[in-house]
Amino acid sequence: DAGITQSPRHKVTETGTPVTLRCHQTENHRYMYWYRQDPGHGLRLIHYSYGVKDTDKGEVSDGYSVSRSKTEDFLLTLESATSSQTSVYFCAISDQVRRHTIYFGEGSWLTVV
Amino acid sequence: SQELEQSPQSLIVQEGKNLTINCTSSKTLYGLYWYKQKYGEGLIFLMMLQKGGEEESHEKITAKLDEKKQQSSLHITASQPSHAGIYLCGADNRDDKIIFGKGTRLHILP
Repeated sequence: DAGITQSPRHKVTETGTPVTLRCHQTENHRYMYWYRQDPGHGLRLIHYSYGVKDTDKGEVSDGYSVSRSKTEDFLLTLESATSSQTSVYFCAISDQVRRHTIYFGEGSWLTVV
Repeated sequence: SQELEQSPQSLIVQEGKNLTINCTSSKTLYGLYWYKQKYGEGLIFLMMLQKGGEEESHEKITAKLDEKKQQSSLHITASQPSHAGIYLCGADNRDDKIIFGKGTRLHILP
């Protein structure tokens, strides 16, 4: 199994509060991704990173920001959580040589009430 | 933007039967990946296809890529309860992004 750890794994928060999800990898892979998975929509890319301090938006980036200050950590922040951000969030990594093989974390279940 | 359409959305088969799941891209495929997700868990990489006509196997699961049709098919032979889950296809759209289909839910009846 790829060394990917997501935290927290489960969180319930109130509307309007900030939330940060952390993805930590031990594989030294260059690429890191944040996806959200929702019924009827499948997996949708929120943000991704192609190196330290190099990030770009995915298809559903509104309301989310990311940061990558170290190779091993990729943080996803919801500045002011809304109920529409209730979802399962997956972090993924891939390496530069076999960039197309993506390994996923176990997921973080976020409920915004 | 590129989209991946999977069919069927849901599939129920008797244990021991064969089945096929399809993934069709709206644009040229440069790489096609298959993942399996058990309910409530993360995604497990199954296989990657990069060339037309390429075929890969993972245990009793075989996938093929048809570049002309911009399509990949995943076949499971002699299905088992362990095959149950959600199967997702993903594609490389050539700008560092990997997009995914909405998934096919597979149920195996004992």
